[in-house]
Amino acid sequence: EPEVTQTPSHQVTQMGQEVILRCVPISNHLYFYWYRQILGQKVEFLVSFYNNEISEKSEIFDDQFSVERPDGSNFTLKIRSTKLEDSAMYFCASSLDMLSYNEQFFGPGTRLTVL
Amino acid sequence: EDKVVQSPLSLVVHEGDTVTLNCSYEVTNFRSLLWYKQEKKAPTFLFMLTSSGIEKKSGRLSSILDKKELFSILNITATQTGDSAIYLCAVGQGAQKLVFGQGTRLTINP
Repeated sequence: EPEVTQTPSHQVTQMGQEVILRCVPISNHLYFYWYRQILGQKVEFLVSFYNNEISEKSEIFDDQFSVERPDGSNFTLKIRSTKLEDSAMYFCASSLDMLSYNEQFFGPGTRLTVL
Repeated sequence: EDKVVQSPLSLVVHEGDTVTLNCSYEVTNFRSLLWYKQEKKAPTFLFMLTSSGIEKKSGRLSSILDKKELFSILNITATQTGDSAIYLCAVGQGAQKLVFGQGTRLTINP
């Protein structure tokens, strides 16, 4: 069964460093998303991406964050200068098309630890 | 402020019991309500509900949406230890995003 994959599974970085989290969405899906879950808290929406541009973003997704689809398969989230409060599990998700866009399938997540 | 509230936050039952998990919401531009099961990491999709009163079933799991009263329930019958997980309710808002509840941690004891 097709699935969303994410790498790395765990990333440890120093405060102020840049990190890139990588995702490979399901191959025929057109909509891509990033969510994060701080330990013990709710899953929170960060950004959605369609047709090579951001279609919606949350207040959390400030200038330190960016997303990119560098090729036909990868979808990345970059945090330019990490802060302690960026420590969280980051989930990538994808959905098929406009009719089923809310039916999002999630990857296994990348646990980001900022020291 | 948009919110999705799940209850109970935690539930412990014995194998074979039936459980009902609740989700209420106040979200602008509602499009759908989704249930996910989260075991170790990734939320795994269970159901998507868009219409009131139509029950969706998958094996021992079923769910229904009430768009007038703004809530949904997830039922699990004849529970098994493998059903132990966090169950997440999420509302599809507008075109893109999901607004999640805090989850219900379900523990099934043998």
